[in-house]
Order: sequence, then C-alpha cells, then structure tokens
Amino acid sequence: AQSVTQLGSHVSVSEGALVLLRCNYSSSVPPYLFWYVQYPNQGLQLLLKYTSAATLVKGINGFEAEFKKSETSFHLTKPSAHMSDAAEYFCAVSRSGPHSSNTGKLIFGQGTTLQVKP
Amino acid sequence: ETGVTQSPTHLIKTRGQQVTLRCSSQSGHNTVSWYQQALGQGPQFIFQYYREEENGRGNFPPRFSGLQFPNYSSELNVNALELDDSALYLCASSRTSGGGNEQFFGPGTRLTVL
Repeated sequence: AQSVTQLGSHVSVSEGALVLLRCNYSSSVPPYLFWYVQYPNQGLQLLLKYTSAATLVKGINGFEAEFKKSETSFHLTKPSAHMSDAAEYFCAVSRSGPHSSNTGKLIFGQGTTLQVKP
Repeated sequence: ETGVTQSPTHLIKTRGQQVTLRCSSQSGHNTVSWYQQALGQGPQFIFQYYREEENGRGNFPPRFSGLQFPNYSSELNVNALELDDSALYLCASSRTSGGGNEQFFGPGTRLTVL
C-alpha cells in the first residue's frame, strides 16, 4: 500500500524567505512522486515530478524537490518566496512499473497551506 | 490545445437525488481519472477510465459510477446522494494509463448536498 504524509498543515513565511514543505511517503515499490499546487477555486497544477531519473527535480516557478530514498522523503523547496506562491500544496505518490493493475492513480497527502507575509 | 474542462461549475442537490458530472479530456488523452476532494482534504481517487473501460477503482461505493465515451470525454454519476458527498469533484486526463503519466486536472465541480 502507498501513502503520503505532509508535515504541517499550515506554513507561514515572509516574502523572500526560504520555502520548505515536507512530504514523506510510504511505498512497497519504487514510487513516482509529484507536487501539485492548488489556487483557490481552481484545479491542481503540476509543479514537478520524480520518475526515477535525477533525484533532484526542478519544476516550475522556481520550485525544486529532492528524492531521498533513505529518508522516504520528497520535500519541496523554493529559495525565495513570492506573494503569488500563497496556495495549497499537495504531495502525491503513484505506483511505478508496468504492473497490469497499475493505473497510475495518485494518492495525495492532506495538503499544506502556504501563507506568504509581506 | 484545449485543457480539461468540467461542467457544471457548481451544483446544489438534496439528499437522495442523483447527479451527473461531465468532463472533457485534453486533446490526445485517452485516460480520465476522477477524484473527490472534501473540504480541507487531499483529493481521493474514485476511479479511472481507459479507452472506455473502467480501469481501477478506489474505495467508493457502487452508487458512484461512470462512463467514458468514444471521444474520451467522461461522466461521473452519483446516485442516492448523501450529505458526505458534498465535495469538489476533480477530473484529470492523461495520455495513457499507468504510473508516471502526468495527469492534467480540470477546475472541478463543486457539489453541495443539502
């Protein structure tokens, strides 16, 4: 079974400060990992994904995440927060490999609300 | 390239009623997945349709059903609505089924059950 835990339901940073959103996963097979962002009253937009290539993944809007197998983590970072980064962020995991039952369904964490203070 | 669209945007129903939500997938995508997002929660997988067949289902009762059409658009039907069905319903399309394929999400349908 797969699961995702996002530590901290709310994170508040000042504009220009480092953003760190934490995600730990559990998976019995090598995972694919994703970070999505959701703005109010909108759907989800993919920020970045890990699919077993480079462990440091760069995404859109200056975000990046590092896959650490030993820590079962996939934390999201951005060196300098911008007011427009305020949103809900979701970490998700899906199953890798060509297994016949592998639909690629995403299992999401509970989400972290990022607040950016001026 | 048109993205994923969903209709309606908002819907209000009463307990016991039935509802149909619609999703148009992105051009070139043959797979549609549906998710339920309760307030303050992460999305939960309902089911997936791949080439017009159900291709995986989450932990949802049979009163949640769906269809996928030859043009790969999809419907989500919910019968005998319950208060707990109030949520944002998200549709996502991808080029094909399987892990690692990016899922493109629509804006969602907000369902309120009174």
